[in-house]
Amino acid sequence: GESVGLHLPTLSVQEGDNSIINCAYSNSASDYFIWYKQESGKGPQFIIDIRSNMDKRQGQRVTVLLNKTVKHLSLQIAATQPGDSAVYFCAEMEEYGNKLVFGAGTILRVKS
Amino acid sequence: SAVISQKPSRDICQRGTSLTIQCQVDSQVTMMFWYRQQPGQSLTLIATANQGSEATYESGFVIDKFPISRPNLTFSTLTVSNMSPEDSSIYLCSVVGGAETQYFGPGTRLLVL
Repeated sequence: GESVGLHLPTLSVQEGDNSIINCAYSNSASDYFIWYKQESGKGPQFIIDIRSNMDKRQGQRVTVLLNKTVKHLSLQIAATQPGDSAVYFCAEMEEYGNKLVFGAGTILRVKS
Repeated sequence: SAVISQKPSRDICQRGTSLTIQCQVDSQVTMMFWYRQQPGQSLTLIATANQGSEATYESGFVIDKFPISRPNLTFSTLTVSNMSPEDSSIYLCSVVGGAETQYFGPGTRLLVL
């Protein structure tokens, strides 16, 4: 996994606005992608996943977009709430049961 | 999703000692993994815990430093041996159940003095 030391990128949004968190992945052979949310003092929590044969998948208030051409993944959160404040990680997997490679993470801060 | 617990949740240890972390799942799972998350950083895979055989370690991690056991399909342990302050991290286990999605335990927060 990649790391950026102690200075993770931070996204600050106003409560009620939409949030977009971006992730660039490295392996063109990756065929499965997951977004995780990690709150302070907790383990990563599964949010949504997408396979490489899709370019969009929607969940409850969240949407994941996949652009394989430029190896880019994004997580959109609609009507962001204070409870959405956390660190968000994307992760890629090359094949079933294989290891997850995590992106650096983005801190989301929601202002009330 | 599977319910995963880890023990201890946190510990403060002296350098040179060892700590064994337990991971318990409430259902049988096909795969279990151990990750390390250094302060302020992302997650790095340490090894895949294989049931009934030796763990598969990632580059940079060795069995002598991080011995792993997995005696059955619901339980695994990770030992952090001969600890130094650089081992201060969050250690997380994850599992893969019927689908590909990996679910994580709450983590063990380790501080080595």
